[in-house]
Amino acid sequence: DAGVIQSPRHEVTEMGQEVTLRCKPISGHNSLFWYRQTMMRGLELLIYFNNNVPIDDSGMPEDRFSAKMPNASFSTLKIQPSEPRDSAVYFCASSPTVTGTGAEQYFGPGTRLTVT
Amino acid sequence: GDSVTQMEGPVTLSEEAFLTINCTYTATGYPSLFWYVQYPGEGLQLLLKATKADDKGSNKGFEATYRKETTSFHLEKGSVQVSDSAVYFCALRLYGNKLVFGAGTILRVKS
Repeated sequence: DAGVIQSPRHEVTEMGQEVTLRCKPISGHNSLFWYRQTMMRGLELLIYFNNNVPIDDSGMPEDRFSAKMPNASFSTLKIQPSEPRDSAVYFCASSPTVTGTGAEQYFGPGTRLTVT
Repeated sequence: GDSVTQMEGPVTLSEEAFLTINCTYTATGYPSLFWYVQYPGEGLQLLLKATKADDKGSNKGFEATYRKETTSFHLEKGSVQVSDSAVYFCALRLYGNKLVFGAGTILRVKS
């Protein structure tokens, strides 16, 4: 299994530009999560989907952030317009089950975003 | 709200030393508990888990026991190696698949 795939691995952009991060979850997993990791705030859950439907987006920082999951094998996280404080590592994770207490989340390698 | 508190790092040890990383949690229900590890430049990987009180999770020489009385899930290893140098995250899950993570503890092992 290829694991969770994220692209790009690194993104450098200027303030005000649109940024799109992509994620391909593990085949057969029906939950998908977007996290942001910074030194100051640690690991934060931004949004998660079950069966392609957004369930909890309370962690999305503001309207500049949006996420979509058009099908079971693809999700995007978009920032428009980007700001320097958005600089962070963004992780995507997927999980094989919706309910139960033992399901594990599998993380992708992350996208390191730098906004100048 | 639900939260996880980990000991602050970095923790610096010599090879073959005993490791303990403390983790305590606050939750209104009976969560499942996890330890994840993040190696430099990589995503998080599940290290071990426990789903009910008194369960012991173990993997790669690491162990943690779910203690409901003390709301703790401390990570231990009897003899650390340089390759164990990483960031360790304690996490809990109450419902669905949403995880609440601690701040992470950096472990540095010197040869």
